[in-house]
Amino acid sequence: EAGVAQSPRYKIIEKRQSVAFWCNPISGHATLYWYQQILGQGPKLLIQFQNNGVVDDSQLPKDRFSAERLKGVDSTLKIQPAKLEDSAVYLCASSSALVGGNEKLFFGSGTQLSVL
Amino acid sequence: KNEVEQSPQNLTAQEGEFITINCSYSVGISALHWLQQHPGGGIVSLFMLSSGKKKHGRLIATINIQEKHSSLHITASHPRDSAVYICAGSSMYSGGGADGLTFGKGTHLIIQP
Repeated sequence: EAGVAQSPRYKIIEKRQSVAFWCNPISGHATLYWYQQILGQGPKLLIQFQNNGVVDDSQLPKDRFSAERLKGVDSTLKIQPAKLEDSAVYLCASSSALVGGNEKLFFGSGTQLSVL
Repeated sequence: KNEVEQSPQNLTAQEGEFITINCSYSVGISALHWLQQHPGGGIVSLFMLSSGKKKHGRLIATINIQEKHSSLHITASHPRDSAVYICAGSSMYSGGGADGLTFGKGTHLIIQP
């Protein structure tokens, strides 16, 4: 079974530039998450999708971050414009959890972003 | 607000030792995930449990719902077990699906040969 695919693996940009990350979850997984993990800290949830709808984006800095999952399959996360403090690993995860469910999460290998 | 507390923060042990990592969580969390993260690597989900005990190879995870406590045990530890182990709680989301995880701060485990 293919895992959660993320690209790019690494990205270096200058502050105020824009960047986009892509995630393809495990086939059939309804729920998709984007996490931000700053060095030395645990992951922080940015946004959660259930199919193509947003379930939770309360911690997404909406002035600069946006995410979409238009067809309920793969997803993109965008930062525009980037700040130095956005340097982190951006992790995508998916699960088959549906209504009332708790299921194991599967994580991608992450995109390491460095903002200079 | 959901909370997860994990201990110890750092643990160094000799190869072969029995390892225990503990996790306490707040009311509202209905399932516990144990995750493993190697340096520079992605996160691997080890277990998801909402009751009882699960075992996979040398790894055992237990959860006590009444005490809101979970433990991850590693038997016959090996240097390749060296990693950060993270417990994370999820809650049932009334709108459908598992909520995003609330993460503990992680336990940095080093197994010395």
